Amino acid sequence: AQSVSQHNHHVILSEAASLELGCNYSYGGTVNLFWYVQYPGQHLQLLLKYFSGDPLVKGIKGFEAEFIKSKFSFNLRKPSVQWSDTAEYFCAVNGYTGRRALTFGSGTRLQVQP
Amino acid sequence: GAGVSQTPSNKVTEKGKYVELRCDPISGHTALYWYRQSLGQGPEFLIYFQGTGAADDSGLPNDRFFAVRPEGSVSTLKIQRTERGDSAVYLCASSPAGGGHADGYTFGSGTRLTVV
Repeated sequence: AQSVSQHNHHVILSEAASLELGCNYSYGGTVNLFWYVQYPGQHLQLLLKYFSGDPLVKGIKGFEAEFIKSKFSFNLRKPSVQWSDTAEYFCAVNGYTGRRALTFGSGTRLQVQP
Repeated sequence: GAGVSQTPSNKVTEKGKYVELRCDPISGHTALYWYRQSLGQGPEFLIYFQGTGAADDSGLPNDRFFAVRPEGSVSTLKIQRTERGDSAVYLCASSPAGGGHADGYTFGSGTRLTVV
C-alpha cells in the first residue's frame, strides 16, 4: 500500500520568507507525484506534478518541488512567499499499480503574515 | 461546463436518512472520481469511473455507499442509513480519458455533508 506523510501541519511565515514543505511517500515502485493547493473558500487546484525526467519540477506561482528518489521525498519550495500564498497544501502520490486513485497526505496549512 | 460542478454545496441530514450527492464533470472528461475529506485530513479515495462503469470502487467504506454514472457524464453518490461518521466534504474530480493523471484532476468545490 502507498502512503504519504506531510510532517508540517501548520506553518506560519512572514512575507518574503522562504518556504519548504516536506512530503515523504511510501511506495516501492515508480510513482507520479503531485502537489495540490486549496486557497480559503476555493477548490483544490493542481500546483505541480512529477511524472518522469528532471526531478526539479516548476509549477505555477513560483512554486517548485524536487523529487529525491533515494529519500522518497517530494518537498515543495518557494523562495519568497506572499500573503496570497496562505492556503492548505496537499502532497499526493499515485503508484504504478494500475489504480488511478491518488493517495493524499493530511495537508499543511500555510499562514503568511503581512 | 467550465469546471466540475457539485450539488448541493451543503447538506444537513438526520442520522439514518438517505442522501444523494451530485457531480457534473467537465464536458468530455470520461474519468470521474469521488473522494471524501474529513476535517484535518487529506482527501480519501472512494470510487473511480471510466465512462459509465466503476473501474475501481475499492475505497467505498461499506455497502451503505454506492455511486452511479448511467450516461457517462453526471454521477451520483448515494449514502444509505447515514451515520454521524459520514460527515465530511465529498469531493468530485474529473480528468480526460486515457492519460490518467497526465494533467492531474480538476476538482469540484465539494459537498459538505453534516449528519446530525
